[in-house]
Amino acid sequence: DADVTQTPRNRITKTGKRIMLECSQTKGHDRMYWYRQDPGLGLRLIYYSFDVKDINKGEISDGYSVSRQAQAKFSLSLESAIPNQTALYFCATSEYSGTSGLKPSNEQFFGPGTRLTVL
Amino acid sequence: AQSVTQLGSHVSVSEGALVLLRCNYSSSVPPYLFWYVQYPNQGLQLLLKYTSAATLVKGINGFEAEFKKSETSFHLTKPSAHMSDAAEYFCAVDSGGYQKVTFGTGTKLQVIP
Repeated sequence: DADVTQTPRNRITKTGKRIMLECSQTKGHDRMYWYRQDPGLGLRLIYYSFDVKDINKGEISDGYSVSRQAQAKFSLSLESAIPNQTALYFCATSEYSGTSGLKPSNEQFFGPGTRLTVL
Repeated sequence: AQSVTQLGSHVSVSEGALVLLRCNYSSSVPPYLFWYVQYPNQGLQLLLKYTSAATLVKGINGFEAEFKKSETSFHLTKPSAHMSDAAEYFCAVDSGGYQKVTFGTGTKLQVIP
């Protein structure tokens, strides 16, 4: 089974609709991220969460909101979708050493992506 | 502030030829550097990472990268390209290891038979 899952994998919606993209992970990681990928622009960070009570804006958070329902779940919402939010969206997780003293790997683990089209 | 520049959005090589994908970074503190690969219709997966240990880093599938502080570069190489290497490659930087990563714009590698 995949460690990081995203639902839905594909979604077509209309301008003005509210959309929620969901991410779940079984890796036990504290840190979760939402990115969008656009051709020629690479991945850009939308929001990130270092634990359930810590949520931060990334470089392109306008028009988006997030919810960290549990350590394993991190949802991204588009309150009123617009066509320029058409993109490929990725969720990612990473490990935090916390007080364990272990050095984190810093590697991010990605879900398979959600392709969102806003008409 | 941190940033990454990948030179060349598309690179074509012949099967068996050297692969060289270029990455330059900017970071005000010692960086963690990564190369990720994205195969068609998939998420990104880690190819290799530099975390201040050896400057020559070996990754999966025969890829390696060398950290050169004086040149602020972290170029990705592979001696002999395979058809299966066709993918998009992303360089990324994490200044200070805080796990807030900035990605480059990506380089699509085409391998010609």
